[in-house]
Amino acid sequence: KQEVTQIPAALSVPEGENLVLNCSFTDSAIYNLQWFRQDPGKGLTSLLLIQSSQREQTSGRLNASLDKSSGRSTLYIAASQPGDSATYLCAVKRGGGFKTIFGAGTRLFVKA
Amino acid sequence: EPEVTQTPSHQVTQMGQEVILRCVPISNHLYFYWYRQILGQKVEFLVSFYNNEISEKSEIFDDQFSVERPDGSNFTLKIRSTKLEDSAMYFCASSEASSGGSGNTIYFGEGSWLTVV
Repeated sequence: KQEVTQIPAALSVPEGENLVLNCSFTDSAIYNLQWFRQDPGKGLTSLLLIQSSQREQTSGRLNASLDKSSGRSTLYIAASQPGDSATYLCAVKRGGGFKTIFGAGTRLFVKA
Repeated sequence: EPEVTQTPSHQVTQMGQEVILRCVPISNHLYFYWYRQILGQKVEFLVSFYNNEISEKSEIFDDQFSVERPDGSNFTLKIRSTKLEDSAMYFCASSEASSGGSGNTIYFGEGSWLTVV
């Protein structure tokens, strides 16, 4: 059974700092991995999607990497800003199915 | 930018009542999903829907739940005889494809917060 774990559960950093959020999954037979942002009481905003054949994806200040064999992904946020404060969720989709399994998220607080 | 829209944003219902949550997926998307998030817990998959039938469902999605695409734009989740533990945020989502490139990206709505009292 696929389990997705995110470390740390919470993180507080000063504005301008570069940071890394970690995601691990137990079954490497994934089809893709998606990073989302969730603001309190709101929906999920897709940030980046990495196919299982890819190693990384970039969008602006965000860079996500995937090491399928070790069951790990990282989300790198450069030059963090207070507006980046949110919960970041990692989710994996297994091959041959429609189900996406989520981690519990990392709650990020960027201090001005 | 196209988005998934959900109504209502918040609904309070008496235990035992039926609830219908509505969603309008992104117009050219073919795959539709319902997820839920109980307060303080992980987002959980409920069901996926493609070509007018359920393509996959979780163990949570029992006979109490049903989904329907009544027309070309709406996608609904019906919860019969609601229980206290059904209180959660319910998210509708859609994707253009299930396989192949960025079409896999799943787009979520803002959610419908259901409170069962």
